[in-house]
Amino acid sequence: GAGVSQSPSNKVTEKGKDVELRCDPISGHTALYWYRQSLGQGLEFLIYFQGNSAPDKSGLPSDRFSAERTGGSVSTLTIQRTQQEDSAVYLCASSPWGAGYTFGSGTRLTVV
Amino acid sequence: QKEVEQDPGPLSVPEGAIVSLNCTYSNSAFQYFMWYRQYSRKGPELLMYTYSSGNKEDGRFTAQVDKSSKYISLFIRDSQPSDSATYLCAMSLGRGSTLGRLYFGRGTQLTVWP
Repeated sequence: GAGVSQSPSNKVTEKGKDVELRCDPISGHTALYWYRQSLGQGLEFLIYFQGNSAPDKSGLPSDRFSAERTGGSVSTLTIQRTQQEDSAVYLCASSPWGAGYTFGSGTRLTVV
Repeated sequence: QKEVEQDPGPLSVPEGAIVSLNCTYSNSAFQYFMWYRQYSRKGPELLMYTYSSGNKEDGRFTAQVDKSSKYISLFIRDSQPSDSATYLCAMSLGRGSTLGRLYFGRGTQLTVWP
């Protein structure tokens, strides 16, 4: 596709449930990133995939968060046993080798 | 102290004004500097991208980087109501040929009124 596609665009879930957020990057982009944006806050880095290298998971806030990238393309961010503090906009971005990011429109997650 | 500091504003200016947006940072190893614009309920979009110190101009936008002061700026000339958005600065250590993770400021909310 022409841009980074994220689904769903909105997700409301009950506390304690698991959620999966999907990111479809721009075709041919080797790097994929997940960030989280809470109300009034900047973007918080979560995880970074680059080609076949081991992902940089240093931003994941707890072991309830995990992500995978299959076939060097689509990525799924999974949050287990969601908590209210997980409510945020989850943004995915991709970039080609050596250039700036293109962001998707994000998934707005609300944990009730 | 956050690695990247940015005044969240809000900043409100009349149409046609020159807008100055700024960020400071603490890590002298940052090499790549970016400005993103984010409209409400949208993802950030890349406006300007610079490497190391100096100026870069693109239309009404000018980005400045002063590595000695650890200070970056974005100037918007002849501001328009369509420039109303949140502006985020971002920077990267840059490893090899990739940007790696970006470190973002909190964003400055700008309103340009007609």
